[in-house]
Amino acid sequence: EIVMTQSPATLSVSPGERATLSCRASQSVSSNLAWYQQKPGQAPRLLIYGASTRATGIPARFSGSGSGTEFTLTISSLQSEDFAVYYCQQYNNWPPERTFGQGTKVEIK
Amino acid sequence: EVQLVESGGGVVQPGGSLRLSCAASGFTFDDYAMHWVRQAPGKGLEWVSLISGDGGSTYYADSVKGRFTISRDNSKNSLYLQMNSLRTEDTALYYCAKDGDYGYYFDYWGQGTLVTVSS
Repeated sequence: EIVMTQSPATLSVSPGERATLSCRASQSVSSNLAWYQQKPGQAPRLLIYGASTRATGIPARFSGSGSGTEFTLTISSLQSEDFAVYYCQQYNNWPPERTFGQGTKVEIK
Repeated sequence: EVQLVESGGGVVQPGGSLRLSCAASGFTFDDYAMHWVRQAPGKGLEWVSLISGDGGSTYYADSVKGRFTISRDNSKNSLYLQMNSLRTEDTALYYCAKDGDYGYYFDYWGQGTLVTVSS
């Protein structure tokens, strides 16, 4: 099983500042990496797939980078609606199991 | 507009069974693999199971293998999860999710249905 590790567990950021979230895979997943945002009481929302492609309707302040085992989600200027939990997820073709990181909570500083 | 609506959750005793359903609309259902993903209260996301578009291939997380069965009825645009031998650790919000257009990520999620396993 591919293990995904996110850091930090909690990130305290002031509105308008940049946030950088990390995700590491226990083995290479190429660019088969997605990022999701989840707000309290809501289902997760797809932000990024293919490590760096923004999903439909996702603002340009969200960007993803990386390949292989090291990935980064950057939020260039945090807005009030961006305070949430963010999960990375690998989707290598084989094995077919999809695994998530444990999440990073972005909170208001 | 893609919509996924789960149902069938509830309270069940340990060792009991429950069947979840997910009604899909807004896309060509049998073109896509579908998944169940769960989230225990206050915890992270855990992938549970996937089924191919034609229903011919299924996969499970080790934590549910042998107890849960995923299935689909493409004539009804519906996804199911039969859960047997339920344990307290299966308590979670269960989401159905659609495979992405360009890979095996999840581009649409339902709002979830809550399963509580308790005596």
